[in-house]
Amino acid sequence: DGGITQSPKYLFRKEGQNVTLSCEQNLNHDAMYWYRQDPGQGLRLIYYSQIVNDFQKGDIAEGYSVSREKKESFPLTVTSAQKNPTAFYLCASSRRKGLNWQFFGPGTRLTVL
Amino acid sequence: QKEVEQDPGPLSVPEGAIVSLNCTYSNSAFQYFMWYRQYSRKGPELLMYTYSSGNKEDGRFTAQVDKSSKYISLFIRDSQPSDSATYLCAMKADNYGQNFVFGPGTRLSVLP
Repeated sequence: DGGITQSPKYLFRKEGQNVTLSCEQNLNHDAMYWYRQDPGQGLRLIYYSQIVNDFQKGDIAEGYSVSREKKESFPLTVTSAQKNPTAFYLCASSRRKGLNWQFFGPGTRLTVL
Repeated sequence: QKEVEQDPGPLSVPEGAIVSLNCTYSNSAFQYFMWYRQYSRKGPELLMYTYSSGNKEDGRFTAQVDKSSKYISLFIRDSQPSDSATYLCAMKADNYGQNFVFGPGTRLSVLP
C-alpha cells in the first residue's frame, strides 16, 4: 500500500535538546512538506522540498532544519533554538504538477518537558 | 485579515442533518480548492478537490466554489456520527505551485 509514514507517533524532549522527526513516503512524489499544527491555528508551513537536495523555507522555518537526500525521505530536526516546539507535526507529499493535492502522514506529537 | 477564514466551531448537529461548512478567502488568484477531514490526533485526509467555480459531488459530500464571492462550501448530507471530525479547507493559486494555504478548520460533532 502506498502512503506516508511518520515516526515516532509521540516524542518527548527536554529543553535544549535537538530531536529529529522521520517522514517516509512510497508514493513516488517529488514534493514533500512539513507543517506544524497548533490548536485553533490551522497548518503552518515549516519547510518544503520539490526535488532531492533542494528545499525552501516556509512561513515558520526558524529553529527547524531539514534534509532531502532521498526522494522518499524528508526528516525534520527541531533544534534547541525553536522557542516553543510543543506541537503536532505533519508531513505531506504531493506530485509537483498536475492534480497535486497533498497526502498527509499520521503526524508526530512533540512535547517539550 | 487572514488569507483564509473559517468558523472554528464547534458545530453540533443531530445525526441525519445536512451540514454546511464554509470558508472565505481574500486572494482572487486561488483557483484550486480542497477539503480535508481530520480526526483527532490523525493526519488530514482529502475529501474533495475542485478547480475554479462550480459544484462537485461525491457520495454524501458536495463541494461548491463561488469565486465571485470568494466563498467555498462543503455540504454533508445524511450526516453520521463517524463524520465527527475537524474539516479543513485549503486552496492554491496555480497547478504547479507548492503554496497551499489552509483554513484553521471547523470542528464538527454529529450526535447520535
